[in-house]
Amino acid sequence: GAVVSQHPSWVICKSGTSVKIECRSLDFQATTMFWYRQFPKQSLMLMATSNEGSKATYEQGVEKDKFLINHASLTLSTLTVTSAHPEDSSFYICSAPTRGDTQYFGPGTRLTVL
Amino acid sequence: QQPVQSPQAVILREGEDAVINCSSSKALYSVHWYRQKHGEAPVFLMILLKGGEQKGHEKISASFNEKKQQSSLYLTASQLSYSGTYFCGTTVPGNTPLVFGKGTRLSVIA
Repeated sequence: GAVVSQHPSWVICKSGTSVKIECRSLDFQATTMFWYRQFPKQSLMLMATSNEGSKATYEQGVEKDKFLINHASLTLSTLTVTSAHPEDSSFYICSAPTRGDTQYFGPGTRLTVL
Repeated sequence: QQPVQSPQAVILREGEDAVINCSSSKALYSVHWYRQKHGEAPVFLMILLKGGEQKGHEKISASFNEKKQQSSLYLTASQLSYSGTYFCGTTVPGNTPLVFGKGTRLSVIA
């Protein structure tokens, strides 16, 4: 199947700092990528849709000024958590759809804010 | 609209079978099945697009009913490696995100 990578795998930061997470499609181009967040023992919740060359679309309740998304190329989307707080600690996962409608997920980034 | 998964959790002994259901009150465009192990991202299992479709191999397979409102995942002769949380996800046509069910936690014990 298609390969999606994420970096970093995990990050620990102090409250108030910003963290950038990268999502790359390694063997296909993705004009659209999706960012999900997953809290312990819960399902994946969509945060936003990242669109190459245009603004991201955010789900209701997700602060666009706090979670900055940039889709700079057909293979890279970044999510920046600005002024992170402990309640932002979570598992962040990106996915990218292929032509056959299948969506492949990156390995995820575990963020811990102290 | 979030699909409804059942059961929420199931415990099996090695070699036993299980069925996980995913349903919606409206016809779905597609159903995607994923398995997630603790601390890892979901891994794609299969996608069903057509009403009446059945897909998979001998041990793990899935079906999509004619009305495209229910899908079932069949795990046969379960192995320890089948343990994890299974999610169904649904989409509408186009590059749209998945809407996931709440998941079914499957534990296979020796």
